[in-house]
Amino acid sequence: DIQMTQSPSSVSASVGDRVTITCRASQGISSWLAWYQQKPGEAPKLLIYAASTLQSGVPSRFSGSGSGTDFTLTISSLQPEDFATYYCQQSYSTPVTFGGGTKVEIK
Amino acid sequence: QVQLQESGPGLVKPSQTLSLTCTVSGGSISSDDYYWSWIRQPPGKGLEWIGYIYYSGSTYYNPSLKSRVTISVDTSKNQFSLKLSSVTAADTAVYYCARDSRILIDYWGQGTLVTVSS
Repeated sequence: DIQMTQSPSSVSASVGDRVTITCRASQGISSWLAWYQQKPGEAPKLLIYAASTLQSGVPSRFSGSGSGTDFTLTISSLQPEDFATYYCQQSYSTPVTFGGGTKVEIK
Repeated sequence: QVQLQESGPGLVKPSQTLSLTCTVSGGSISSDDYYWSWIRQPPGKGLEWIGYIYYSGSTYYNPSLKSRVTISVDTSKNQFSLKLSSVTAADTAVYYCARDSRILIDYWGQGTLVTVSS
């Protein structure tokens, strides 16, 4: 199985801050990486796929980069509705695996 | 707009079989472009992929659950189902069904909490 390691596990930030979350794969996955946002009591929501492609309707303050084993999700200017938990996911090979999540909290 | 809805018992006894169904609306489960997934999330924890099925019936399971999992599809009803046998408290989780294009998972059900308890 490909292990996905996210860091940090949590981050405290203020509205307007730039937030960066990293995800590392235990082996190369090319660009087969997606990012999801999950709020309490809700299903995950797709933000980015193919490492850097913004899903339709997702604000442009979200961006993704990376390929191979190292990936980054950046929120350029944190908004109140962005406080949530973020997960990366690889689909390079089965079993599909997710990172452990990064909780973005209000500072 | 594609919608997915999970249904099934919210309480299952230990050693019994958990059974859930996902009904897809707003799109055909027989599309060539998608797989249909089950994903679970224990309370307060992260996401675990259980497996997925193609409309033809081809399945892919997580090896960690493979001996206990069966995913099936009923194209006439636009539904797919999950069976997980010999459940324990560790199987208590919110279970999601979702649509997977192999590159992304773009539509998710709202999730259903299944508690394993006597």
